[in-house]
Amino acid sequence: DIQMTQSPSSLSASVGDRVTITCRASQNIDNYLNWYQQKPGKAPKLLIYAASTLQSGVPSRFSGSGSGADYTLTISSLQPEDFALYYCQQSWNTPQTFGQGTKVEI
Amino acid sequence: QVTLRESGPALVKPTQTLTLTCTFSGFSLSTYGMCVSWIRQSPGKGLEWLARIDWDDAKYYRTSLKTGLTISKDTTKNQVVLTMTNVDPGDTGTYYCVRVPTYGSGNYYDYWGQGTLVTVSS
Repeated sequence: DIQMTQSPSSLSASVGDRVTITCRASQNIDNYLNWYQQKPGKAPKLLIYAASTLQSGVPSRFSGSGSGADYTLTISSLQPEDFALYYCQQSWNTPQTFGQGTKVEI
Repeated sequence: QVTLRESGPALVKPTQTLTLTCTFSGFSLSTYGMCVSWIRQSPGKGLEWLARIDWDDAKYYRTSLKTGLTISKDTTKNQVVLTMTNVDPGDTGTYYCVRVPTYGSGNYYDYWGQGTLVTVSS
């Protein structure tokens, strides 16, 4: 199975900050990388797919980049509603696997 | 409007069979490239992909599980059923069904059900 490692596991930030979360796969996943946001008691929500494509309806302050095995989710200006858990997920092969999550806290 | 909703028992005993149903609307599982997967979330294991069924009835499973998995679909009822045999306490968690469109770039989970919490305990 492809292992997905996110860093950091948690971070503290303030409204307006630029936040970056990284995700490293155990092998090249050729941009088959998706990002999700999860709030307490809710299902995850798709933010970005194919490494850099913004899902419809997601604010443009979210962006994704990367290639090969290394990817990044950036929030350009953190908003109060962005405090949540963030997960990366590879869809290069089966079983599709997730990172362990990054908690963004105030 | 795409929606998915999971249903099934909240409590199951070890060694029993767990049957979960995903009822969806707003899309057809007969459409080329459309798929539905089951995802599990538990505190100890995080998010785990379990199984997927495709528009052409192709099926994929997480083979590393001790629990036996079977996924099936009823296109006329817009339902996908996941059966897990011989469950154990490690199968406790929240189970989500998700839509997976595979006809574009990559594949991803663009719509999620609300999830159903299943506890495996005697």
